Amino acid sequence: DIVMTQSPDSLAVSLGERATINCKSSQSVSYSSNSKNYLAWYQQKPGQPPKLLIYWASARESGVPDRFSGSGSGTDFTLTISSLQAEDVAVYYCQQYYSTSITFGQGTRLEIK
Amino acid sequence: EVHLLESGGGLVQPGGSLRLSCAASGFTFSSYAMSWLRQAPGRGLESVSSIISGGGATTYYADSVKGRFTISRDNSKNTLYLQMNSLRAEDTAIYYCARDAKVFDSWGQGTLVTVSS
Repeated sequence: DIVMTQSPDSLAVSLGERATINCKSSQSVSYSSNSKNYLAWYQQKPGQPPKLLIYWASARESGVPDRFSGSGSGTDFTLTISSLQAEDVAVYYCQQYYSTSITFGQGTRLEIK
Repeated sequence: EVHLLESGGGLVQPGGSLRLSCAASGFTFSSYAMSWLRQAPGRGLESVSSIISGGGATTYYADSVKGRFTISRDNSKNTLYLQMNSLRAEDTAIYYCARDAKVFDSWGQGTLVTVSS
C-alpha cells in the first residue's frame, strides 16, 4: 500500500494567519500520461464526517472557500489556508487514489493559537 | 441534495455478525460506485470496502476485512450494505458510507460498531 505521511501532526495558528499542512506519499501518485495528481484533502470537524475540500491535488470542491488551496505533485503535497478562520478548526486528512488500495494520511489537527 | 443514512450499528460480541445499511437519496444511486470507510475511536480513516456502479459485480476489500466482510447493493432500493462476520475488537469504529468517485464527495453521518464481550 502507498503510505501517506502528514506533517505536522498538530498545528496552532493565529486567526487571520496562514496555515500550511504537508502530505508526503511513499511513491508518486501522479500519472505522467494525463499529468494528474491523484491526491485529495478532507476536513473533519468534531462529531462530523469528513468533508471533501480538494481533489486532483489543487481542484477546489464546489462550495469550498477560496482561502483553501492545494498544491504539489509527485510525492509532496500541501494544503494551505490563506487566512485562518475560527470555523477552520478541524482535523485535515490527505488521501491518495492513485492505487486501487486507497489510503489516508494520519491527520493533522489544526487549532487556534 | 445528496443524502446518505447509515444504520445497523451496535454492540456485538467478538465472533458475532452485523449487517450495516446505507440508504441513499438525492442522486442516481445506480450510477455511482459506493464505499464503506471506518474510523476507530480517536483514530484516522480507513477504506474498508467498495463496489462499482451498476450491478456491482466488482468489489474491493481491505486486507484487514477480506473474507469476513461482504459489500453489496440493491439499486431498486437505493441501498448499500455491509455484512460483517467474525467480528473482532479491532473492528470497533464508526462506519461511514460514502459516494465513491475515487474521492469521497458525500458521506453519511456514520454508525458506531462496538465489538466487545
